[in-house]
Amino acid sequence: QVRLQESGPGLLKPSETLSLTCTVSGGYINSNYFYWGWFRQSPERGLEWIASFHYSGSTYYNPSLESRVTISANTTSVTHFYLQLSTVTAADSAMYYCARRSSGAADSWGQGIMVTVSS
Amino acid sequence: QSALTQPPSVSGAPGQKVTISCTGSSSNIGAPQDVHWYQQLPGAAPKLLIYKNTDRPSGVPDRFSGSRSGTSASLAITGLQPEDEADYYCQSYDSGLRASIFGGGTKLTVL
Repeated sequence: QVRLQESGPGLLKPSETLSLTCTVSGGYINSNYFYWGWFRQSPERGLEWIASFHYSGSTYYNPSLESRVTISANTTSVTHFYLQLSTVTAADSAMYYCARRSSGAADSWGQGIMVTVSS
Repeated sequence: QSALTQPPSVSGAPGQKVTISCTGSSSNIGAPQDVHWYQQLPGAAPKLLIYKNTDRPSGVPDRFSGSRSGTSASLAITGLQPEDEADYYCQSYDSGLRASIFGGGTKLTVL
């Protein structure tokens, strides 16, 4: 059974860059069958898809965030992938989740990491 | 405001059936694009409940079922149990927005 775990800073200042890591256990991100992605949830914006990728190199971004987001994987590790979100503001404060995607759905989720942007 | 519209809340007594609707448009559900449903218990991450409109992941009870028709989809829960009390979200893909999108969520209260 695949498990995912988010890690990263919980508090950032406005204009900083958010960097999150998703650690995958019980599976590998180089599987041909799955995509991997990031989501976030806040009371103001609800559940929001941020970005997804396939290990073959395909990446997909929410157009509303595309100019500030990078999703990536480390070619030396098949159990980690990453999210970078630049120039954060208070509106980026949310619970951030990484997830495995199959057939368009997110079938396994991490427990989430709370990120707060405040000066 | 989400491109997928869900009722903010529904309720039912134990043992009863409830239905949660998810209304979209011709650029998402009606395209047609698949609809997926998630259950989110308090303080927990979302959990996949229904994928590709009608399919249940292994381990999800058959009390949960999904359907899609035109520009709408529905999640039905029969034999309501207290542990079903949670928030439920629909998700689809919008070709106009070029993004996976979620409904605003429906809070289910088991009376």
